[in-house]
Amino acid sequence: DQQVKQNSPSLSVQEGRISILNCDYTNSMFDYFLWYKKYPAEGPTFLISISSIKDKNEDGRFTVFLNKSAKHLSLHIVPSQPGDSAVYFCAASAASGTYKYIFGTGTRLKVLA
Amino acid sequence: NAGVTQTPKFRILKIGQSMTLQCTQDMNHNYMYWYRQDPGMGLKLIYYSVGAGITDKGEVPNGYNVSRSTTEDFPLRLELAAPSQTSVYFCASSRQPQHFGDGTRLSIL
Repeated sequence: DQQVKQNSPSLSVQEGRISILNCDYTNSMFDYFLWYKKYPAEGPTFLISISSIKDKNEDGRFTVFLNKSAKHLSLHIVPSQPGDSAVYFCAASAASGTYKYIFGTGTRLKVLA
Repeated sequence: NAGVTQTPKFRILKIGQSMTLQCTQDMNHNYMYWYRQDPGMGLKLIYYSVGAGITDKGEVPNGYNVSRSTTEDFPLRLELAAPSQTSVYFCASSRQPQHFGDGTRLSIL
């Protein structure tokens, strides 16, 4: 049973346009959500997070939106740059005190110059 | 500041061999985690630790063991390597957000 799903394995976007990456979850106990970026042969790098008490969090070109009723979050990258080409993972955790993450399967973003 | 350091970066094992994947962090974090990532899949939690001397199982602990004798080190041990353990292994530290090492790519033939 996959509790965190990223249904788009890949996405191609033109440089300068918006990239929208989506993530769905099933466990209503999740209260903290994160996005990680991963380049080949490197570990995941934290990008942005959002708590369930908020519906939006912004950091520069990156914005994460959370729709709790739909159990859906999305990552917007505006404007997209070639250096953003990577695999993006969403992750979720519940307030259990152990901070265990459940990861989605990732979306490979390719930004075309 | 090195962050989370994993060694080795690559390793090939024969079926039935054993090995220890090393993970060290220099950020004085109590929480540490081991994940594995199979091709086309997300990261799955193997074991985690909330402090020296305290460890617990994650989603996929079978075939692995861990120990946490110091805050800095959290080694992962494979006792009898099996082909199903071919994967990329990531160590992470801290609670929110977790900081990851660059991984160990392990092949078992």
